[in-house]
Amino acid sequence: SQTIHQWPATLVQPVGSPLSLECTVEGTSNPNLYWYRQAAGRGLQLLFYSVGIGQISSEVPQNLSASRPQDRQFILSSKKLLLSDSGFYLCAWSYGTGNYGYTFGSGTRLTVV
Amino acid sequence: KNEVEQSPQNLTAQEGEFITINCSYSVGISALHWLQQHPGGGIVSLFMLSSGKKKHGRLIATINIQEKHSSLHITASHPRDSAVYICAVRRSGNQFYFGTGTSLTVIP
Repeated sequence: SQTIHQWPATLVQPVGSPLSLECTVEGTSNPNLYWYRQAAGRGLQLLFYSVGIGQISSEVPQNLSASRPQDRQFILSSKKLLLSDSGFYLCAWSYGTGNYGYTFGSGTRLTVV
Repeated sequence: KNEVEQSPQNLTAQEGEFITINCSYSVGISALHWLQQHPGGGIVSLFMLSSGKKKHGRLIATINIQEKHSSLHITASHPRDSAVYICAVRRSGNQFYFGTGTSLTVIP
């Protein structure tokens, strides 16, 4: 069966520090991978998605970047965190074609102080 | 205006009540998802619909493509149903749009 792992679960980082959140998927190949952010009181916002290794699409211009160095690995990064980067970050995967389900990781709660 | 609108934003119910959460969308879609987000933040996919109706246990989801509307019903609600319920629509390819969620609290 397919599983998705996301870590860390919580993170407190000072302003200006770098960020690296990692997401891996097991049990499938060539998944579509997504990074979402959920700010307090707001809905999920798609940040990046990837349909394959090295292929990254950005939905919202911002202080973050994403990379997909391996088929089942998706990394969210920042060189210098801003206070506005605080939020709940979710990784998700889906099959690339057809109307298949959509599976989320457990999320990372990031607080920038 | 958001592509996906949910109502109500907040809902409090007594245990055993029948609950309905509504979702309206303004774009053409290939599928609609209902998601459940637990207090810890984890999200679980409940249903994926492209037409008609689906049922799983006490949960029922319906969609009317012509009216661009979907409902999530919970029968015989229980405190463990307390969560945020999110409607999401998938357009062609990889475009997803999410509602802001309905926060449900079921009181014993």
